[in-house]
Amino acid sequence: KQEVTQIPAALSVPEGENLVLNCSFTDSAIYNLQWFRQDPGKGLTSLLLIQSSQREQTSGRLNASLDKSSGRSTLYIAASQPGDSATYLCAVGLWNFNKFYFGSGTKLNVKP
Amino acid sequence: DVKVTQSSRYLVKRTGEKVFLECVQDMDHENMFWYRQDPGLGLRLIYFSYDVKMKEKGDIPEGYSVSREKKERFSLILESASTNQTSMYLCASSPAGRSGNTIYFGEGSWLTVV
Repeated sequence: KQEVTQIPAALSVPEGENLVLNCSFTDSAIYNLQWFRQDPGKGLTSLLLIQSSQREQTSGRLNASLDKSSGRSTLYIAASQPGDSATYLCAVGLWNFNKFYFGSGTKLNVKP
Repeated sequence: DVKVTQSSRYLVKRTGEKVFLECVQDMDHENMFWYRQDPGLGLRLIYFSYDVKMKEKGDIPEGYSVSREKKERFSLILESASTNQTSMYLCASSPAGRSGNTIYFGEGSWLTVV
């Protein structure tokens, strides 16, 4: 069974810092990988989707990379802002695209 | 804009009650999902449906059932609520096909069973 791990579970940084969130998965036979943002008490919002044939995706200050062979993905956030404070989750989609496996998330706090 | 709507945001129910959680999507998606989210455990799939009247068990289906009578609506049913079902429940939908699906979530339903 696919297992998805996110380290660290929590991260606190000063505003303006560049930071990296990590996601690892045990089975490299994935179809895609997504990064989500979750604000307290809310649902998940998709940030970036990387297909298994791609190496990275960018949206604004966010850049996500994927290394299937090593079972890793990173989410890079440039010039962090207090509004970036949230929990970030990664999820892998399998060839059976009805299945998505989620990590437990990294709770980010950006201090003003 | 894409929308998944969960009708109840906060519910408090008694042990043994039958509980219905409703979810509606307006994107004509084939796939719909129910997850529960607990601290430290991430999201765990309860059930999903890939078409009207079709359903498959996820990783933790015990104590739950689902209903999908119309394409846009997917209901989660707790036949006899128990305190260990206190959780945040998230509904989601995604389109069929291998075109690089993203999955869209509702705002969540917080259920407390007392």
